[in-house]
Amino acid sequence: QKEVEQNSGPLSVPEGAIASLNCTYSDRGSQSFFWYRQYSGKSPELIMFIYSNGDKEDGRFTAQLNKASQYVSLLIRDSQPSDSATYLCAVKGSSASKIIFGSGTRLSIRP
Amino acid sequence: ETGVTQTPRHLVMGMTNKKSLKCEQHLGHNAMYWYKQSAKKPLELMFVYNFKEQTENNSVPSRFSPECPNSSHLFLHLHTLQPEDSALYLCASSQLRDTITGELFFGEGSRLTVL
Repeated sequence: QKEVEQNSGPLSVPEGAIASLNCTYSDRGSQSFFWYRQYSGKSPELIMFIYSNGDKEDGRFTAQLNKASQYVSLLIRDSQPSDSATYLCAVKGSSASKIIFGSGTRLSIRP
Repeated sequence: ETGVTQTPRHLVMGMTNKKSLKCEQHLGHNAMYWYKQSAKKPLELMFVYNFKEQTENNSVPSRFSPECPNSSHLFLHLHTLQPEDSALYLCASSQLRDTITGELFFGEGSRLTVL
């Protein structure tokens, strides 16, 4: 079992709709969870982090965490063409210095 | 300069060459990382340094040799690499002490091609 799993996509969403990205993880001792966005040819940039169960909202982005189910998701409301990118889920596990990434979900927003 | 700076941005080397990648962070963080990103594979953690001490070595072959002289600088020394080592090498930094999150801040990466 992979430590952090994501559907590789591509996920195609019409402009203005909600994009839903999902991630599961295997380490029950995981502490913090991150969503990074990576444009083609660029390095990852942090969009959101979450460490408590429930929802966390920041603008058009909402991160959701369910530690019992070992599941974290990212919702993007009012999707824009500029949201087209690969979204990486990352998990900080029991080892404080170790952050493990999923393989990423490629999101395409169609006009 | 701000953020995390990596040099060179692009590097082409033969299998018998020796080269080094350099990373510098201007964020005052206490931890630095090397990740490898290959096509269609997840970001692979290679090494972690916390206050200049190596805390993670993710079973990386000895042809990759990291060096962290202080908490702002990180090097990756390369020698006798293989073509499958061609990838984007990303440096990152974070603040680990007293933070639950410790999110990573990445440099722009060094694109390595091994011929």
